Amino acid sequence: EAGVTQFPSHSVIEKGQTVTLRCDPISGHDNLYWYRRVMGKEIKFLLHFVKESKQDESGMPNNRFLAERTGGTYSTLKVQPAELEDSGVYFCASSQDWATSETGELFFGEGSRLTVL
Amino acid sequence: DAKTTQPNSMESNEEEPVHLPCNHSTISGTDYIHWYRQLPSQGPEYVIHGLTSNVNNRMASLAIAEDRKSSTLILHRATLRDAAVYYCILRGGLYGGATNKLIFGTGTLLAVQP
Repeated sequence: EAGVTQFPSHSVIEKGQTVTLRCDPISGHDNLYWYRRVMGKEIKFLLHFVKESKQDESGMPNNRFLAERTGGTYSTLKVQPAELEDSGVYFCASSQDWATSETGELFFGEGSRLTVL
Repeated sequence: DAKTTQPNSMESNEEEPVHLPCNHSTISGTDYIHWYRQLPSQGPEYVIHGLTSNVNNRMASLAIAEDRKSSTLILHRATLRDAAVYYCILRGGLYGGATNKLIFGTGTLLAVQP
């Protein structure tokens, strides 16, 4: 079974441009999370979807970031306009409902590296 | 969110056991103790979790103190592939938090020497 896939693996853009990151969760996983790690810092939570609904978006840094999950399947994270401090690695994770999962573990993708010049 | 404290780094020799400590003195009764690790250039991956009793799986063992204020992740025989950053994370139980999100700290960077 395919794991969590993220696209692109690496994106290089200039300040002010727009970038859209995509995440395909494991089939059947209702929970989808976005995290990011900026240089030298900890992995930070951004937001959590349950199906197509935003359950928790407390970690979204500002209104330049927009996350969507239409139809409750794949998700996109758009950064518009991108700033230098947005550079980092963006991770997506998915999980089953913990009530029905033995471990409730999050399965992470390999991340999308964003470089803003 | 409850916090955990881990050493910044540890070293081990290949094929020797490794004990990775974690302090979580403010843990609540419904918090589960989760361990994830991040190998170089990969996303984090689940290792093990527990609530009160010690736990074993194919990857590791988790020893939880009786008062639950600390725990230890045990890798029985370290391999070069185990070199990673290990995160000890408290996660609200099934009914302890709507999101059950993971809050990552700085983790412990484990170096394994051949």
